[in-house]
Amino acid sequence: SAVISQKPSRDICQRGTSLTIQCQVDSQVTMMFWYRQQPGQSLTLIATANQGSEATYESGFVIDKFPISRPNLTFSTLTVSNMSPEDSSIYLCSVVPRTGGRNEQFFGPGTRLTVL
Amino acid sequence: DQQVKQNSPSLSVQEGRISILNCDYTNSMFDYFLWYKKYPAEGPTFLISISSIKDKNEDGRFTVFLNKSAKHLSLHIVPSQPGDSAVYFCAARRSNDYKLSFGAGTTVTVRA
Repeated sequence: SAVISQKPSRDICQRGTSLTIQCQVDSQVTMMFWYRQQPGQSLTLIATANQGSEATYESGFVIDKFPISRPNLTFSTLTVSNMSPEDSSIYLCSVVPRTGGRNEQFFGPGTRLTVL
Repeated sequence: DQQVKQNSPSLSVQEGRISILNCDYTNSMFDYFLWYKKYPAEGPTFLISISSIKDKNEDGRFTVFLNKSAKHLSLHIVPSQPGDSAVYFCAARRSNDYKLSFGAGTTVTVRA
């Protein structure tokens, strides 16, 4: 299985500022995703992080608000820009390893963001 | 539009008894289904999955049943243990796509 770390694990930020969240995997992966879990809600896919090209965003999410980078097969960042209290969520990185069956999709520990 | 639904927000069960969690989906294109378990302050942990070509998959204490015609699946945990107390998410995807659609989750509490 893939070991995924995220930094920071949690943060409290002021409205209008930006935060970059890092996702590091211990092995090369084919696919990386970013999800969000708002308080009391389910997980919602933000975007697919594509290696070497622009991320693919889901409906309701845009690059200006959530810029994503994926410079190689083991690392990705998600930036939450111009934050508002509505951005308070847990942000999760998810990966599909290069080897293994269809059921192998792993999640990082999450980054708990609180915006004041 | 919620394509995966878990209509029971919570479930309380006595230790040693069976826990049954239900999940419904609306998108007929979904053909792969997964269950994740989540503890507070941790990411979701994969539990068990099932392909639409099967109606049952078993792994230890966990069994997932799929009724494709009813667009319904369930997770059975037997016997339930205190460590099973967590939030359980049902997720679904299409065969050509790894993007997951999640249900709202069911909080399971196992009573000693």
